[in-house]
Amino acid sequence: EVQLQESGPGLVKPSQSLSLTCSVTGYSITSNYWGWIRKFPGNKMEWMGYISYSGSTSYNPSLKSRISITRDTSKNQFFLQLNSVTTEDTATYYCARYGEIVMPTGDYWYFDFWGPGTMVTVSS
Amino acid sequence: DIVMTQSPTSMSISVGDRVTMNCKASQNVGSNVDWYQQKTGQSPKLLIYKASNRYTGVPDRFTGSGSGTDFTFTISNMQAEDLAVYYCMQSNSYPFTFGSGTKLEIK
Repeated sequence: EVQLQESGPGLVKPSQSLSLTCSVTGYSITSNYWGWIRKFPGNKMEWMGYISYSGSTSYNPSLKSRISITRDTSKNQFFLQLNSVTTEDTATYYCARYGEIVMPTGDYWYFDFWGPGTMVTVSS
Repeated sequence: DIVMTQSPTSMSISVGDRVTMNCKASQNVGSNVDWYQQKTGQSPKLLIYKASNRYTGVPDRFTGSGSGTDFTFTISNMQAEDLAVYYCMQSNSYPFTFGSGTKLEIK
């Protein structure tokens, strides 16, 4: 079974970098896509970006140049780095698999496996 | 970015009720809308993909419909275990965007 687990500091100071790890078991990250999504206090959800099976990335433009998603295929892990954080980055961060299903009308992709989430607070 | 306007924000319902919520996209997203359920303290779970397809293991009381800009999610016979926040998400174009969520509460 595919399982994901986020890890990283729960408290980050403003202007510093937020770094999270997503450890994947039961499936290789050299297949499919692997994403980061966050949920702010008050329920708003935001797709942050993903890294593909080949290592290419796609990011939410709202995060501009602050975000980087990388991976270590030998450990079957992928990573989120968010620079210059502010209190507005306080959220629960989820990693998820963007998996494929073959349909008669063509392939379709969805977030089918999620980690339990990790809460990150940005505060001095 | 495509804005997904989800309504209502919350609903007070009784077990056995029929529940309907909506998402309206700010532009045509085809059928590329998914619905997720998030219970308190848990991660989101995929229920419906590509507007109307039930994900593996999802009970048939959950249904989705719509295309273009207007999408509907229905629970035909509300159960206590369905108490959660429900989100729509469009994956038609980047960046993927979510609705604001509909919270179901017991009346």
